[in-house]
Amino acid sequence: AQSVTQPDIHITVSEGASLELRCNYSYGATPYLFWYVQSPGQGLQLLLKYFSGDTLVQGIKGFEAEFKRSQSSFNLRKPSVHWSDAAEYFCAVGASQGTDKLIFGTGTRLQVFP
Amino acid sequence: SAVISQKPSRDICQRGTSLTIQCQVDSQVTMMFWYRQQPGQSLTLIATANQGSEATYESGFVIDKFPISRPNLTFSTLTVSNMSPEDSSIYLCSVARGVGADTQYFGPGTRLTVL
Repeated sequence: AQSVTQPDIHITVSEGASLELRCNYSYGATPYLFWYVQSPGQGLQLLLKYFSGDTLVQGIKGFEAEFKRSQSSFNLRKPSVHWSDAAEYFCAVGASQGTDKLIFGTGTRLQVFP
Repeated sequence: SAVISQKPSRDICQRGTSLTIQCQVDSQVTMMFWYRQQPGQSLTLIATANQGSEATYESGFVIDKFPISRPNLTFSTLTVSNMSPEDSSIYLCSVARGVGADTQYFGPGTRLTVL
């Protein structure tokens, strides 16, 4: 069965520091992978997605993620965090291109100190 | 992307009552989904809303508790029936544009509190 693990429940970084949020998945075939962000009281916004091709994908707000099949990982990175990046981040895996359900990880809450 | 609205944005309800949540999209989409996000938890799919036919429910969710309608390609409703405090959650709809559509876009959510 598909599953997604986000090992870090809560991460705190200083503004301007680099960031890496971890995501590991379990899926038998080629996964479709997503990162979403949820700001307090808001819905989910898509940051980036991976379906195939270049394993390093660029997203909005300066985020990027790298798909590593050998490690079953899809970690999210940002070189310099801004205070406005404080939010909940969810990694998700889909069985097909948007026509099937998404399996979400438990989320990582990011706190940014000035 | 798609512009998705949900009504109401939040509500406080009494135990035993029902609430219907609406999801409206600014253009036609093939797939619509309903998710639940319990306090401090991740998202769990409740069901896929099928246009013109009964919704497809995930394990642990039943039609009597969460009846869903989808009368056309831009609109769906989710009803939370006979509510209990355990139903207090954020309910989100998501959409995907068409066959081969590659991304689900989410609405802003409905925050439900049951007293």
